[in-house]
Amino acid sequence: DAGVTQSPTHLIKTRGQQVTLRCSPKSGHDTVSWYQQALGQGPQFIFQYYEEEERQRGNFPDRFSGHQFPNYSSELNVNALLLGDSALYLCASSNYNEQFFGPGTRLTVL
Amino acid sequence: RKEVEQDPGPFNVPEGATVAFNCTYSNSASQSFFWYRQDCRKEPKLLMSVYSSGNEDGRFTAQLNRASQYISLLIRDSKLSDSATYLCVVIPFGGFKTIFGAGTRLFVKA
Repeated sequence: DAGVTQSPTHLIKTRGQQVTLRCSPKSGHDTVSWYQQALGQGPQFIFQYYEEEERQRGNFPDRFSGHQFPNYSSELNVNALLLGDSALYLCASSNYNEQFFGPGTRLTVL
Repeated sequence: RKEVEQDPGPFNVPEGATVAFNCTYSNSASQSFFWYRQDCRKEPKLLMSVYSSGNEDGRFTAQLNRASQYISLLIRDSKLSDSATYLCVVIPFGGFKTIFGAGTRLFVKA
């Protein structure tokens, strides 16, 4: 049984560019959450998707958007990248409260 | 005041020691509580859920004190492999936003 997968593993972008990160949930999970984790900090909740709708959002600007597909996989899009967007982006899937994380995408903005 | 607060540590303990971490939360309506473990440059992994009655899993014991709004994690007979960052997680009642603490770093030495 494959766990949560994310792609790409690493990404380097420049300021002002746009990026799309992808996540496939664990088999049987219908809910996907995205987090941003800066160095030395805990993961910060970006938003959660369920039934292809954004169910709740954290304190992130509209530059951060997402999508969930009928197969429950999800994308995180970030527009107009800033240096401060450099972080580990984690996807977690769940069907109740217990969340299982993917390995993350490490984004560097230069 | 942060929604979830943890002592960042680091806690440096010898093998075999008992170590305890606390985590305080600000929202009295919080519903679900968890401890996650995160190894360096890896994704968080669920360590255990925290129930009102407390729960134990081998060398690990978690407690919830709703009156004082904190949860605790006790690790007995520490192993070198317990070295990691321990993240406290709180989910408010009726919400889906998962709130992580910044984590407590533990180093277990031989």
